[in-house]
Amino acid sequence: SQTIHQWPATLVQPVGSPLSLECTVEGTSNPNLYWYRQAAGRGLQLLFYSVGIGQISSEVPQNLSASRPQDRQFILSSKKLLLSDSGFYLCAWDKVPSYEQYFGPGTRLTVT
Amino acid sequence: GQSLEQPSEVTAVEGAIVQINCTYQTSGFYGLSWYQQHDGGAPTFLSYNGLDGLEETGRFSSFLSRSDSYGYLLLQELQMKDSASYFCAGPTPYSGAGSYQLTFGKGTKLSVIP
Repeated sequence: SQTIHQWPATLVQPVGSPLSLECTVEGTSNPNLYWYRQAAGRGLQLLFYSVGIGQISSEVPQNLSASRPQDRQFILSSKKLLLSDSGFYLCAWDKVPSYEQYFGPGTRLTVT
Repeated sequence: GQSLEQPSEVTAVEGAIVQINCTYQTSGFYGLSWYQQHDGGAPTFLSYNGLDGLEETGRFSSFLSRSDSYGYLLLQELQMKDSASYFCAGPTPYSGAGSYQLTFGKGTKLSVIP
């Protein structure tokens, strides 16, 4: 069966510090991968998606970036965090063709 | 732009039926999906309607009318564990990938009371 992992589960970082969140998927190959952010009490905002190694599409201009160094690994990064980067970050995957995405457990980021 | 509108909160009694509506403002959606998210947890897929009509999965049913840009999620025989946020989402295809980008509504927080 397929599983998706994210770490860390929670993170408290000062403004201006760097960020690296990691997501890995097991039990499948060549998945589509997504990064979402959810502000408190809000819906999910798509940040990045990837259909293959090294292929990243950005949905929202911001100080975040994403990379996919391996088939089942997706990394979200920032060089300098802003207060507005606080939120619940969710990684998700799906396979072609599918209207159903599978979400990881998420990382709750607080920027102080 | 694409947007989906849902009520922000709904309260219902255990054992009752509740309907959560979703209206959308776009012509590009390939149907409507529904996700459930418990507090602090990750969203999980509930159902998808690609065609007009009703889809039933156990206690949950989902309906879509593409001509009205409207859908709903129906939860029957409510249980306390159904207390969660429910999101409608519209999948739109992105080129060259054969998969779908989801645009989510802001979610409806359902509280089930005894």
